[in-house]
Amino acid sequence: KQEVTQIPAALSVPEGENLVLNCSFTDSAIYNLQWFRQDPGKGLTSLLLIQSSQREQTSGRLNASLDKSSGRSTLYIAASQPGDSATYLCAPDMNRDDKIIFGKGTRLHILP
Amino acid sequence: EAQVTQNPRYLITVTGKKLTVTCSQNMNHEYMSWYRQDPGLGLRQIYYSMNVEVTDKGDVPEGYKVSRKEKRNFPLILESPSPNQTSLYFCASHTGMNTEAFFGQGTRLTVV
Repeated sequence: KQEVTQIPAALSVPEGENLVLNCSFTDSAIYNLQWFRQDPGKGLTSLLLIQSSQREQTSGRLNASLDKSSGRSTLYIAASQPGDSATYLCAPDMNRDDKIIFGKGTRLHILP
Repeated sequence: EAQVTQNPRYLITVTGKKLTVTCSQNMNHEYMSWYRQDPGLGLRQIYYSMNVEVTDKGDVPEGYKVSRKEKRNFPLILESPSPNQTSLYFCASHTGMNTEAFFGQGTRLTVV
């Protein structure tokens, strides 16, 4: 059974800093891995999708990497802003049944 | 605009009174699923559907039913709601195999 772990569970950093959120997963038989953002009480917004054959994807200040063989992904946020404050969720999509499994997220707070 | 629409957004009901939460997507996606999100437990899949008339249990299916009579709709039915089903519910869809998943805005259900 796929287990997805996100470290740290919570993070507070001053505005302007670069930061890295970590995700690890136990089963490498995945189609892809998505990073989502969730604001309190709101739905999930997809930030980046990395296909299993890719090593990284970039969108603006966000860069996600994937090392499928070692079961790791990172989300790098450059020049953080208070508007980046949210919970970030990592979610691999399984080959076996196309099921998306979620980590419990990293709650990020950017201090103005 | 591509979207997943859930209704209602908020619902307070009493134990045992049957309810249905609707979910509709306008992207012709084959794959739809329901999740519940609880503090400390993250997002857990309740049921999923890989196409019309094809549904299967997720990780926490007890107390829930679903149907998929049309491709665009995937209602979640609680035949006899109980307080332990108080949660934030999300519907999601994707077309499978390396495509982005879209989420609804969530339904906050309280069962008293």
